[in-house]
Amino acid sequence: AQSVTQPDIHITVSEGASLELRCNYSYGATPYLFWYVQSPGQGLQLLLKYFSGDTLVQGIKGFEAEFKRSQSSFNLRKPSVHWSDAAEYFCAVGPSSGSARQLTFGSGTQLTVLP
Amino acid sequence: GAVVSQHPSWVICKSGTSVKIECRSLDFQATTMFWYRQFPKQSLMLMATSNEGSKATYEQGVEKDKFLINHASLTLSTLTVTSAHPEDSSFYICSAPPRGRPQETQYFGPGTRLLVL
Repeated sequence: AQSVTQPDIHITVSEGASLELRCNYSYGATPYLFWYVQSPGQGLQLLLKYFSGDTLVQGIKGFEAEFKRSQSSFNLRKPSVHWSDAAEYFCAVGPSSGSARQLTFGSGTQLTVLP
Repeated sequence: GAVVSQHPSWVICKSGTSVKIECRSLDFQATTMFWYRQFPKQSLMLMATSNEGSKATYEQGVEKDKFLINHASLTLSTLTVTSAHPEDSSFYICSAPPRGRPQETQYFGPGTRLLVL
């Protein structure tokens, strides 16, 4: 069975500092990997996704993620965090068919940004 | 970008009553919509897939008679929690991929928080 682990429930960083959110997955085949952000009162927004090819993926809002097959990880990074990045972040894994029905989400990481 | 709305955003009801939650795609058509449930500090769990013009597909362990889904049009799906009980209190989220687009392009609604007293 597929699963996603986000080890950090809550992370606090200062504005301008770098950020890395961890995501580890378990999947029996080639996974499709996603990072979503959820702000209060808003729906989940797709930050980036990895299907194949270059293992370093660029997303919106200055985020990037690196797929490491050997470590079963897909960590999200940002070089310099802005106060508006405070939100909850979800990692998800799914099959190569792209079926949303088979997406598995992590439990999320809440990001707090200090001024 | 594409927008999905949910109504209401917040609902409190008495145990035993039924609650209807609407999910609308505002600027695109969706033949499929997904309903998720999210408990505090937990991940989103898919409850069911709503299909326009046909019956919904429920995930294992989800009671179809308790969570009634109706995909009335290409822009509207409703989830009715029948005879709600306190254990049904949760955050319900819908999503929809635009018609003709891959499912991974689904857009999410802002969610509906249900509290059953």
